[in-house]
Amino acid sequence: GAGVSQSPRYKVAKRGQDVALRCDPISGHVSLFWYQQALGQGPEFLTYFQNEAQLDKSGLPSDRFFAERPEGSVSTLKIQRTQQEDSAVYLCASSLRGTGSTDTQYFGPGTRLTVL
Amino acid sequence: GENVEQHPSTLSVQEGDSAVIKCTYSDSASNYFPWYKQELGKGPQLIIDIRSNVGEKKDQRIAVTLNKTAKHFSLHITETQPEDSAVYFCAAGRGYSSASKIIFGSGTRLSIRP
Repeated sequence: GAGVSQSPRYKVAKRGQDVALRCDPISGHVSLFWYQQALGQGPEFLTYFQNEAQLDKSGLPSDRFFAERPEGSVSTLKIQRTQQEDSAVYLCASSLRGTGSTDTQYFGPGTRLTVL
Repeated sequence: GENVEQHPSTLSVQEGDSAVIKCTYSDSASNYFPWYKQELGKGPQLIIDIRSNVGEKKDQRIAVTLNKTAKHFSLHITETQPEDSAVYFCAAGRGYSSASKIIFGSGTRLSIRP
């Protein structure tokens, strides 16, 4: 079956532009996570959704970052007024169940964002 | 805050030899420890995981050990093959809480010499 997909795979933005990154999780998966991976580093947690509810946004680095999952499936991560330090790979992951479980997180291929 | 440290950052082994990667974690409430393999241009892929109620788990050439008292866990790959070359990440998570996020280590770049 289809895995987690993300689009676009690559995004180049000029500093100050807004960007929107899309994640299509595995069908039926309740949980959805966003991570940020800087070059040569491990993924760092940004935010977590259980269905349409955003239960944890403690990892979002600033109020320029906003995520939504309005219908409990597709999610969008939006970054406003991008800055050079936002350059990274943004990974989306989904897992079958919600809070209280430690199901496998399946990752998408990521979106590589470069801010010039 | 929660932290996972991983060593070494790079590892080169002869094909057929074993590779060991070690991690320590700071959050004593962590009870879930997955290991991910990441190839260039791809997202991390789970290769094995262990929960805190067991001390060791094995899957073919891959094994993971966990010492909860010392708060460290290790990945062992035996009979390494060229396709094992990748970046490996350990992680720690706290299941049964309000957020099932996992904290990743900084990664180990494993190279298999032919």
